[in-house]
Amino acid sequence: KAGVTQTPRYLIKTRGQQVTLSCSPISGHRSVSWYQQTPGQGLQFLFEYFSETQRNKGNFPGRFSGRQFSNSRSEMNVSTLELGDSALYLCASSMALETQYFGPGTRLLVL
Amino acid sequence: DQQVKQNSPSLSVQEGRISILNCDYTNSMFDYFLWYKKYPAEGPTFLISISSIKDKNEDGRFTVFLNKSAKHLSLHIVPSQPGDSAVYFCAASTSNTGKLIFGQGTTLQVKP
Repeated sequence: KAGVTQTPRYLIKTRGQQVTLSCSPISGHRSVSWYQQTPGQGLQFLFEYFSETQRNKGNFPGRFSGRQFSNSRSEMNVSTLELGDSALYLCASSMALETQYFGPGTRLLVL
Repeated sequence: DQQVKQNSPSLSVQEGRISILNCDYTNSMFDYFLWYKKYPAEGPTFLISISSIKDKNEDGRFTVFLNKSAKHLSLHIVPSQPGDSAVYFCAASTSNTGKLIFGQGTTLQVKP
């Protein structure tokens, strides 16, 4: 089976812009979770989607949003980018909401 | 409030010896624990997990021990190999939330 894929792998944006990241889960996995990794805060949970519904949300501002499609693919969007949004954004998928398998991540740099 | 803590930022061991990575948690509602291995600029790779109904789980060279009364888990790697050098994260979750809480990570260096 193919693993979790994320696109794009690298992205450079400027402050104030918005960005959309994409995640394709492992085939058959219906849950997709998103995480942000920064040197200062470590790995932090953003939100989780299951069957197109957001079931859990982390402690991030409303500028961070996401959605899931009927084929379980997911996107996350960050609007009005700030310098502090520079991070590695990771997507993980799971079948049973326990073991999560991560994609390679999208490295976002905000200038 | 750091609910999952890895108090050792780094660990260095000799090839062939045992590596022991530790993790403490504060939330008694956590019922599933995982260990991931991570290289820079890559996604975490799942290693091993344990449910709160067990106190030990083994998979090849990797064994995870869970002490619920102490709210402590550990990952044992035996024997350690140079290819094991990476950052190791422990993570915890509560059933059916899809949310993992991660520790800060421990950098393991295995010297040949």
